[in-house]
Amino acid sequence: GQQLNQSPQSMFIQEGEDVSMNCTSSSIFNTWLWYKQDPGEGPVLLIALYKAGELTSNGRLTAQFGITRKDSFLNISASIPSDVGIYFCAGPTSGTYKYIFGTGTRLKVLA
Amino acid sequence: DAGVIQSPRHEVTEMGQEVTLRCKPISGHNSLFWYRQTMMRGLELLIYFNNNVPIDDSGMPEDRFSAKMPNASFSTLKIQPSEPRDSAVYFCASTGDGGLREQYFGPGTRLTVT
Repeated sequence: GQQLNQSPQSMFIQEGEDVSMNCTSSSIFNTWLWYKQDPGEGPVLLIALYKAGELTSNGRLTAQFGITRKDSFLNISASIPSDVGIYFCAGPTSGTYKYIFGTGTRLKVLA
Repeated sequence: DAGVIQSPRHEVTEMGQEVTLRCKPISGHNSLFWYRQTMMRGLELLIYFNNNVPIDDSGMPEDRFSAKMPNASFSTLKIQPSEPRDSAVYFCASTGDGGLREQYFGPGTRLTVT
């Protein structure tokens, strides 16, 4: 099915480093959601964005809703080992309940 | 407050057997979604209920799959007969705003069909 493109696909970083990842779409979204999935668990909602240009933080996480409404960014500051996991972006296609999920960014943190 | 509850967490069955997955959405949520996750295809929406009524089942792969929501606190996804290609993790998610806001996922059921 249709998917959002996330980059990078995977990344290894050192503990304490900042992390940036993004999500792009060919169509406009009016909501962006960022999830984290740990092995063997369901995706856990991290941040929700509802307005173009919106910048929202949740602890060490900061996400932005791109001005074009076709992209979003997630930053993690001062990464720690428990940040390991797969990060997904998601959003409903305009005016519908059908959520499209990104391909995921797999993050590995080296202690 | 309890999150979305799914059971069983793991299911191993033989090809041809019937499989029933269960979900209890977050209390007060009026929309429920069933997803399937595989390495190849990622997260795919199978079916969406709003106020216990199936709104869109276009994602259900074939007639072997069926889903019901007899009341606001319970839904089932049934596969009959199961096939090896049905092996995946099945997630249930719920939301309280007609499906247009944040979705909250359950822990998933890992299904293996041998």
